[in-house]
Amino acid sequence: EAAVTQSPRSKVAVTGGKVTLSCHQTNNHDYMYWYRQDTGHGLRLIHYSYVADSTEKGDIPDGYKASRPSQENFSLILELASLSQTAVYFCASWWDTEVFFGKGTRLTVV
Amino acid sequence: GDSVTQKEGLVTLTEGLPVMLNCTYQTIYSNAFLFWYVHYLNESPRLLLKSSTDNKRTEHQGFHATLHKSSSSFHLQKSSAQLSDSALYYCALSDHSGGSNAKLTFGKGTKLSVKS
Repeated sequence: EAAVTQSPRSKVAVTGGKVTLSCHQTNNHDYMYWYRQDTGHGLRLIHYSYVADSTEKGDIPDGYKASRPSQENFSLILELASLSQTAVYFCASWWDTEVFFGKGTRLTVV
Repeated sequence: GDSVTQKEGLVTLTEGLPVMLNCTYQTIYSNAFLFWYVHYLNESPRLLLKSSTDNKRTEHQGFHATLHKSSSSFHLQKSSAQLSDSALYYCALSDHSGGSNAKLTFGKGTKLSVKS
């Protein structure tokens, strides 16, 4: 069973502060993704990566950066958190047409 | 680019009635994969069904769906709703071309609420 672990599971951040969401996978999958979940918008792709040290922009990359320092780790960085970035964030990895999700990080920006 | 449409944001049913959640899609890729993911509260979204074969019924855990490429549809169905089916359901699309294009495009999701 694929394992994708996100930390923290929840976080409260102040507007203008820096936030880093971390993701770790133990199955050596090449592809990793960060999605944002909002009611009425579903899951939207922020950034993804298919190899270490390389990231790609997804559909809504503005205000976010990503880092893939190794095969196992993929971080999402909010340099200047804003109220509009309050959401649930899911990390995922991909293998053979199936995506495996982490349990999500609930981020509240105040 | 690819897109997935789930017109119903909320479907409310009485237990025992049939379920049908609609999904249509747009893609230029002839070998696209279509998926249904289910997301229960406080859990990870997980794969329910997937298909890339035209006109073939795919079944899992009492749910079924048939990919119809002629109408670009992949509707999710179940003959009899259960209270435990209450969840958020996502339809998703992948072109499975690999490389930098290997990604899922999700619809907005349909919340299924089953009541007794």
